[in-house]
Amino acid sequence: NAGVTQTPKFQVLKTGQSMTLQCAQDMNHNSMYWYRQDPGMGLRLIYYSASEGTTDKGEVPNGYNVSRLNKREFSLRLESAAPSQTSVYFCASSVRTPSNQPQHFGDGTRLSIL
Amino acid sequence: AQSVTQLDSHVSVSEGTPVLLRCNYSSSYSPSLFWYVQHPNKGLQLLLKYTSAATLVKGINGFEAEFKKSETSFHLTKPSAHMSDAAEYFCVVSDQYGNKLVFGAGTILRVKS
Repeated sequence: NAGVTQTPKFQVLKTGQSMTLQCAQDMNHNSMYWYRQDPGMGLRLIYYSASEGTTDKGEVPNGYNVSRLNKREFSLRLESAAPSQTSVYFCASSVRTPSNQPQHFGDGTRLSIL
Repeated sequence: AQSVTQLDSHVSVSEGTPVLLRCNYSSSYSPSLFWYVQHPNKGLQLLLKYTSAATLVKGINGFEAEFKKSETSFHLTKPSAHMSDAAEYFCVVSDQYGNKLVFGAGTILRVKS
């Protein structure tokens, strides 16, 4: 019963490198989300996908792209990493929007950009 | 726009004493409100949610929260703290379109033995 699985768990990049963070859920959820967590700022939404085939910007989308590959998988890409993107990234899923549905979170990817 | 303010960035209690984590929200409509908990190096886990049913909401691990519209508050309480409650807690409100969640900055709970 894996829930939401994120890979990798840790990554160190150099400025300018590209990287894709992977997320998969096995709960047959329709909606998926990507957040970043920075100290003292809670979680901020980067992008979300309300259903397969759709994606929308969240609060902090600049510097990121996403792909909803299928119902299970939702990836986050950094095309040219910057030190300001050093953060912990969380993927989440929910049965559907609206957001009175609880979201289920992965354990995070800790990303450092030098 | 919806917003959440967690009034304490850190709370320290002794084991066996009550816990109170304070949250005020701002919303121009009837919101859905949540409390999530995050243990070190883990993702967030739902503790409880309010969605306009009973104003006193019971969650997991003995936590509960009371929705007070007049005070725009949704404080989290537990009668007796346990060492395993040490974690970071997030108060969360849904946005007015119902598609996204807005997170507070978090409160770190420390439990002393």
